[in-house]
Amino acid sequence: QVQLQESGPGVVKPSETLSLTCAVSGASVTSGIYYWSWIRQPPGKGPEWIGYIYNNGRTKYNPSLKSRVAISLDTSSNQFSLNLVSVTTADTAIYYCARGATVTGRAFDFWGQGTQVTVSA
Amino acid sequence: SYVLTQPPSVSVAPGETATIACGGNNVGAKSVHWYQQKPGLAPMLVIYYDRDRPSGIPGRFSGSNSGNTATLTISRVEAGDEADYYCQVWDTTSDDDHEGVFGGGTRLTVL
Repeated sequence: QVQLQESGPGVVKPSETLSLTCAVSGASVTSGIYYWSWIRQPPGKGPEWIGYIYNNGRTKYNPSLKSRVAISLDTSSNQFSLNLVSVTTADTAIYYCARGATVTGRAFDFWGQGTQVTVSA
Repeated sequence: SYVLTQPPSVSVAPGETATIACGGNNVGAKSVHWYQQKPGLAPMLVIYYDRDRPSGIPGRFSGSNSGNTATLTISRVEAGDEADYYCQVWDTTSDDDHEGVFGGGTRLTVL
């Protein structure tokens, strides 16, 4: 049973750094058949892909966020993390971590429950 | 960047067929994935590779993709199908990698 669980602060001040972690169980972040993504969903809007990390540490980011985002892998804890710097109120959203599998064309087949992050002073 | 366009809303009566379109430039050349999202929950994959269903998804859900339009079809619609539906593709980038793109979403209302 694959499970993903996001964790991190629910409130971040403007101009500070948003940091979230996704703990994975039932699958290994070192597997070469998965891509591990962060996705966010602002209130009342559709999902927005933030970026992914592959088992070798290779990353790819949404061009609109590329200058502010970093995703890293912690293989010892089987988790991956998101850092988003210089946040503004526009970064307020539910943040999801999700798995993409090569056998499904990297469709997001498992998602975390999501964590609400509010940017507010 | 690549854009996927969906109608904001679709309404159908129970037992009828719902068709949700996802438009994009030559989207037929890409693999389209579809997600269902109910209020307060994470999106859930219902179709991948244009037309394949994950385990546990009813056969009433089907997909197709050709030209500039991909389509999610829900046959014999039930009240429990009421949700937001999103299409998604991986767009090839200039460095031969891929970036994820979602459509704006379609709210399915069961009358």
